Amino acid sequence: AQTVTQSQPEMSVQEAETVTLSCTYDTSESNYYLFWYKQPPSRQMILVIRQEAYKQQNATENRFSVNFQKAAKSFSLKISDSQLGDTAMYFCAFPNNNAGNMLTFGGGTRLMVKP
Amino acid sequence: EAGVTQSPTHLIKTRGQQATLRCSPISGHTSVYWYQQALGLGLQFLLWYDEGEERNRGNFPPRFSGRQFPNYSSELNVNALELEDSALYLCASSRVWTSYNEQFFGPGTRLTVL
Repeated sequence: AQTVTQSQPEMSVQEAETVTLSCTYDTSESNYYLFWYKQPPSRQMILVIRQEAYKQQNATENRFSVNFQKAAKSFSLKISDSQLGDTAMYFCAFPNNNAGNMLTFGGGTRLMVKP
Repeated sequence: EAGVTQSPTHLIKTRGQQATLRCSPISGHTSVYWYQQALGLGLQFLLWYDEGEERNRGNFPPRFSGRQFPNYSSELNVNALELEDSALYLCASSRVWTSYNEQFFGPGTRLTVL
């Protein structure tokens, strides 16, 4: 069974600074995708960034980037130039290729961006 | 393009009653997923529907059931409600069920069981 672990339940960062959220996972698959989702206080979950396992290059979306270490099964999210609107729960998620790509989520990290 | 919609926003029931939650996917999306977000338990996969059929279910008892209609909207039914069913229920849709494809989430239904 696939598992996803986020070891930081809560984090805070000053506005304009950089923060890194950690995620580790376990899978026997060789090719897969990984996602980071953001759930702001209004509750609607949105995709922040995705990474394909066979791609060496780390994904980047504006201020969001990942550090993907396939051998270590690590998938961290870096947020640069943090903004107040980045305050949210962040979930690392793994789609199960053998089960219609239902998502297995980590426990989440609550990020607070302080002015 | 309208996003995933869910109704009602809040639902209050008493133990033993039945609850019905509804979800409308994004136009063109045929797959609908249901997740439960309970305090302390995180986000857990409940059910997956595609093309009108239940394709997979998570580790939940049979009193959690649902269906998908010809227009791809979906309904989640929870029978014989228990206090621990209190949670935020999220619906997500995707165009096709490949692992690349993003799941788009609705705002959720907050179910409270008294």
